Formats: sequence, C-alpha cells, structure tokens
Amino acid sequence: NAGVTQTPKFRVLKTGQSMTLLCAQDMNHEYMYWYRQDPGMGLRLIHYSVGEGTTAKGEVPDGYNVSRLKKQNFLLGLESAAPSQTSVYFCASSYERAYEQYFGPGTRLTVT
Amino acid sequence: AQSVAQPEDQVNVAEGNPLTVKCTYSVSGNPYLFWYVQYPNRGLQFLLKYITGDNLVKGSYGFEAEFNKSQTSFHLKKPSALVSDSALYFCAVRARAGNNRKLIWGLGTSLAVNP
Repeated sequence: NAGVTQTPKFRVLKTGQSMTLLCAQDMNHEYMYWYRQDPGMGLRLIHYSVGEGTTAKGEVPDGYNVSRLKKQNFLLGLESAAPSQTSVYFCASSYERAYEQYFGPGTRLTVT
Repeated sequence: AQSVAQPEDQVNVAEGNPLTVKCTYSVSGNPYLFWYVQYPNRGLQFLLKYITGDNLVKGSYGFEAEFNKSQTSFHLKKPSALVSDSALYFCAVRARAGNNRKLIWGLGTSLAVNP
C-alpha cells in the first residue's frame, strides 16, 4: 500500500497563475481532506469530501476549489494564486469521520 | 466554543528521561481524542486515539496517553525519551454528538530530546 500520495512535492507559482494539486489514496477511504499548514497556525482545513462526487468547505476555503470525481482521488485547485497561499498543503483520508486520518507527505507551494 | 490547547510551544527533555506533552480541550461530552506526530518535512502520522474504555491508551513507538475527564486533558507520555522522538506533536479532538463535530486541532508542541 502506498497510503496517501501527493503530487507535486514542490511548486513555485507566480501571482495569478493556476495549478492543481493531486491527492490519491489506495485505502478505499470514504473521507478525504485538504489542509494547509502555516507556522504558528497549525493545520487549517480547506475543503473536505465525505465520498465520491461530494465536496464541502472547511474553515479556509476561499481561493481554492476541489473535486472528487473518483473515490481514490481528491484534487485541490488554485485558480489565481496569491502570495497568501504560500504554504505547505497536506492531503489526508480516513475510513470514517470519527476515525484517524492518514496524511500524505505534503506539497510545498511558494507564490511569488 | 470548542477548542484544543497545547499550552507548551516547546518541550525539552534529556534522552532517557520521561516526557509529557500536554493537551487540554473544551468540547462537550466525551470526545474522540487523537495524537499525531510530524517529523521534519513529513506529513503527520497517527500515534494513538481514545474512543472509549480504559483511560490509558497505548500507541505507536512506545507512546501512551491518559484521558482525564475531570481535567479535560489528554496528555501524551513516554517513559524514556529517544533523540529520534524529536518532532512536532499535535493533539486533535472531535465531539461525539451535536451539530458541530468537526475535528479540532491543537497548534502543536515541538519536542526536542537532547542526547
């Protein structure tokens, strides 16, 4: 099992550019999450999904969109990147809402 | 409002000494409680959880945590620290019932184990 994988690992964008972060899990988990991690602010939930074809907003959804067309994949899109979106992005999945989450290795994004 | 507090930004211990990383919470009822560890430049890894039953929970890498309902705490402990335990530790809490059952994360505690 690869667990949760994320691509790319690093990316540098210019302000206004767009990109998509891909998350894949091979554990047949229903729930998937996108977080951002910033110094001193811990983990903040951007969007999440409770199953294939569903998405929901987390606590910091502005500037991001997501899609879950297949159960194993959860995509995070930035339509027009801003310097405030410079962060480390983590994807996670869980079998059920109350269960522990399994995290990917992260994507370090810099927006200049 | 629901919250999780990790009152220490950093904990320093000597190798071989016991370690404690503190977590307190404000969530109604008996919540689900979790500890995660993050090594440098890595994603978070699940360590242990309290769902029900024995208040002392054992987890990965020799860690354990004690659920204390009266003090609303879930402190992480290890009898003998290793240098390789140096990492960032996160406590997380989720309410079992009610309208707001989102997972709430602490801000993390950096553990440094000195040789």
